[in-house]
Amino acid sequence: EDQVTQSPEALRLQEGESSSLNCSYTVSGLRGLFWYRQDPGKGPEFLFTLYSAGEEKEKERLKATLTKKESFLHITAPKPEDSATYLCAVGEGGYALNFGKGTSLLVTP
Amino acid sequence: KAGVTQTPRYLIKTRGQQVTLSCSPISGHRSVSWYQQTPGQGLQFLFEYFSETQRNKGNFPGRFSGRQFSNSRSEMNVSTLELGDSALYLCASSPQNEYEQYFGPGTRLTVT
Repeated sequence: EDQVTQSPEALRLQEGESSSLNCSYTVSGLRGLFWYRQDPGKGPEFLFTLYSAGEEKEKERLKATLTKKESFLHITAPKPEDSATYLCAVGEGGYALNFGKGTSLLVTP
Repeated sequence: KAGVTQTPRYLIKTRGQQVTLSCSPISGHRSVSWYQQTPGQGLQFLFEYFSETQRNKGNFPGRFSGRQFSNSRSEMNVSTLELGDSALYLCASSPQNEYEQYFGPGTRLTVT
């Protein structure tokens, strides 16, 4: 069965302290690895799509990378407004997304 | 472009009742998916519709159903509500035959 595991479950950083979030997956035939950001009480906001090992995408302070077994979301010099839950998902058959449980990030001033 | 819209945003129902939730996708998007989000299980796939046809269904009981209209708008229905159905129900849309999905704000359903 396809599985998506995110770590850590929660992460507390000081403003400016860079770190990485991990998403490991087991899937037969990757149909894309997706990163989302979710703020409390809101729907997930799309960040990145990665399709093949070695691929990288960047947006402001965020950079997503992909290997054959895992993806990393690197956060460089985070700010308090980066506090949110970050979700990763893999595409399964039938256009369904299989989500991990997320990493709750808190960035303190 | 306007994003995905969902109505209502909040709903309180009693056990045994039924509920209908509505979703309007991004203009031009023809695929609509529904997800249930709970603190314990996270985001779980309910079903996906394209051109008024259900193409895929997640592992949920038959009390959960949906449909899509010719204008791509979609509704989901939950019959005989149970306490465990309390959740945030999220709708997502995508262009034809793509996995990249864009989510609406969700409908918060509380069953008492």
